[in-house]
Amino acid sequence: QVQLQESGPGLVKPSQTLSLTCTVSGGSISSGGYYWSWIRQHPGKGLEWIGYIYYSGSTYYNPSLKSRVTISVDTSKNQFSLKLSSVTAADTAVYYCARGAILGGNFDYWGQGTLVTVSS
Amino acid sequence: QSVLTQPPSVSAAPGQKVTISCSGSSSNIGNNYVSWYQQLPGTAPKLLIYDNNKRPSGIPDRFSGSKSGTSATLGITGLQTGDEADYYCGTWDSSLSAGPYVFGTGTKVTVL
Repeated sequence: QVQLQESGPGLVKPSQTLSLTCTVSGGSISSGGYYWSWIRQHPGKGLEWIGYIYYSGSTYYNPSLKSRVTISVDTSKNQFSLKLSSVTAADTAVYYCARGAILGGNFDYWGQGTLVTVSS
Repeated sequence: QSVLTQPPSVSAAPGQKVTISCSGSSSNIGNNYVSWYQQLPGTAPKLLIYDNNKRPSGIPDRFSGSKSGTSATLGITGLQTGDEADYYCGTWDSSLSAGPYVFGTGTKVTVL
């Protein structure tokens, strides 16, 4: 059973960089066939796809966030990470990591989510 | 704003059926598989339907999916109180303005 777990600070100051890590267990990021994604949900709102990374390091980001987002992978630790720079209150959200199938694009495993609040 | 449009809410009595529509375009639903997710209050989304109409192991056959042209539909039969949740569709999108992956606006299901 694949499990994903987000970790990182729950509070970030405006203009700083939000950093989160997703640790994958029960399966290898390097096995291929999947995109490893970050998705966020603003309070009371819908889901917003942030971006994904393949185990090789290839990335693709949401155009609306592209200038501020970096997703990286550490296959030795079976982890992938999100960095979102120059954050504002509008980046306050629950951040999820998820495994996405390349062919169908469906997200079959999700982390529990972590709330990140941007505030001074 | 999402490029996939869903009704904000649907409701029905226990045991009844509800359908949730997801309307898109040729850049997304029209040329890609659609997935559906259930999000119970305070929890992470859960995959309900993938590849338009397939159910992951453990998902009851009360849940069904279909796709026609640039729209998709999720059906829930034998509605139960435990089905009260938000439901989202999702698919790839090839347009430059949207992300490679887009979610629907979400639909809240209420069991009367």
